Amino acid sequence: EDQVTQSPEALRLQEGESSSLNCSYTVSGLRGLFWYRQDPGKGPEFLFTLYSAGEEKEKERLKATLTKKESFLHITAPKPEDSATYLCAVAYGNNRLAFGKGNQVVVIP
Amino acid sequence: EAGVAQSPRYKIIEKRQSVAFWCNPISGHATLYWYQQILGQGPKLLIQFQNNGVVDDSQLPKDRFSAERLKGVDSTLKIQPAKLEDSAVYLCASSFGTGYNEQFFGPGTRLTVL
Repeated sequence: EDQVTQSPEALRLQEGESSSLNCSYTVSGLRGLFWYRQDPGKGPEFLFTLYSAGEEKEKERLKATLTKKESFLHITAPKPEDSATYLCAVAYGNNRLAFGKGNQVVVIP
Repeated sequence: EAGVAQSPRYKIIEKRQSVAFWCNPISGHATLYWYQQILGQGPKLLIQFQNNGVVDDSQLPKDRFSAERLKGVDSTLKIQPAKLEDSAVYLCASSFGTGYNEQFFGPGTRLTVL
């Protein structure tokens, strides 16, 4: 059973069309939830860390939120440069880490 | 500040051969991670070091994979012998504190096993 599930797997957006990505997790003892951005042929790049339900973080057109069982990454008025795969990861228990499969986002001009 | 360095960037080998990857983390980062990322999937943690010690290696296929971190700095990951299903990108990452902190990733090594 996957511990971290991301949906949708792939998303095509028109430039300016806002949307949300979902990351749900089943682990217990959450220590932190992370969002990363990964461009083709590169390593993931850190975006946000969320530690407790109700927490929100923002950076440019991205906003991450966290509840007890899931996190959302909201993309407001996306631009083509926001095209990437967005990865969600959870740290839990005693130094355990798990990544989801990612949300592949394409923003069309 | 220099990022996480990895080498080689690409490697092509035949099955049953051996291969080694090298990683130099960001200076001062105590924790180092090796991940395997198969095309279309998220990174899978293979091993996590904190300084010289292993924190988690529960998903490392120990019959063929090994890793070491000498003097709490550089690390090498070895596969011996390689199988076709080992074809993937191997990512190294480091963090200042524990696994509960943000990680900084290297560019990865793309391994193709023929």
